[in-house]
Amino acid sequence: GNSVTQMEGPVTLSEEAFLTINCTYTATGYPSLFWYVQYPGEGLQLLLKATKADDKGSNKGFEATYRKETTSFHLEKGSVQVSDSAVYFCALRKGRGTGTASKLTFGTGTRLQVTL
Amino acid sequence: GAGVSQSPRYKVAKRGQDVALRCDPISGHVSLFWYQQALGQGPEFLTYFQNEAQLDKSGLPSDRFFAERPEGSVSTLKIQRTQQEDSAVYLCASSLVGLAGGSYTDTQYFGPGTRLTVL
Repeated sequence: GNSVTQMEGPVTLSEEAFLTINCTYTATGYPSLFWYVQYPGEGLQLLLKATKADDKGSNKGFEATYRKETTSFHLEKGSVQVSDSAVYFCALRKGRGTGTASKLTFGTGTRLQVTL
Repeated sequence: GAGVSQSPRYKVAKRGQDVALRCDPISGHVSLFWYQQALGQGPEFLTYFQNEAQLDKSGLPSDRFFAERPEGSVSTLKIQRTQQEDSAVYLCASSLVGLAGGSYTDTQYFGPGTRLTVL
């Protein structure tokens, strides 16, 4: 079956530090890959996505590259801010559009805490 | 613009009670998903609707769980005879699946969730 594995948290960084959150996946075919973020007290928000191999998703200074050869989609940011403190979820989706394959499979989440 | 809304935001039930959780998707969104998120875990798929049709209920953990979307908009997730293991946050997501602003989108937008605690 499909699965997503994320690095354990919490990750604690000082402001302006470099961030990497590892994510690897298991799936047949060519899934789409996502990073969602959950800020304290808020719902899940899409942060970025990539739909095919070697695509790079980016948003708000965060980046992730779809690496099919290593089945990975690691999240990176060059300089984190206190406001980036949240829980980050890596997810995959087998299919597009409508249909049962469009459901998301999530990792367990990685909590990031950024301090001054 | 309104996002996905869910009610109630918090629900406390005694073991054995029935509960009903409501999801109001974004207007016009065809697809609607329910996910269950246990404490410290990622969301797990429960069921999927395309308009009013429930096309996938493979994630429902038992026959105590029932979901409906009779008119293709609002959806209700019902849990009968609640058990302590049902305690979780229940998330609803909807997606348009089509053109928006000139480009294709099938992004799932999530509601804030309903936190269910079964005592």
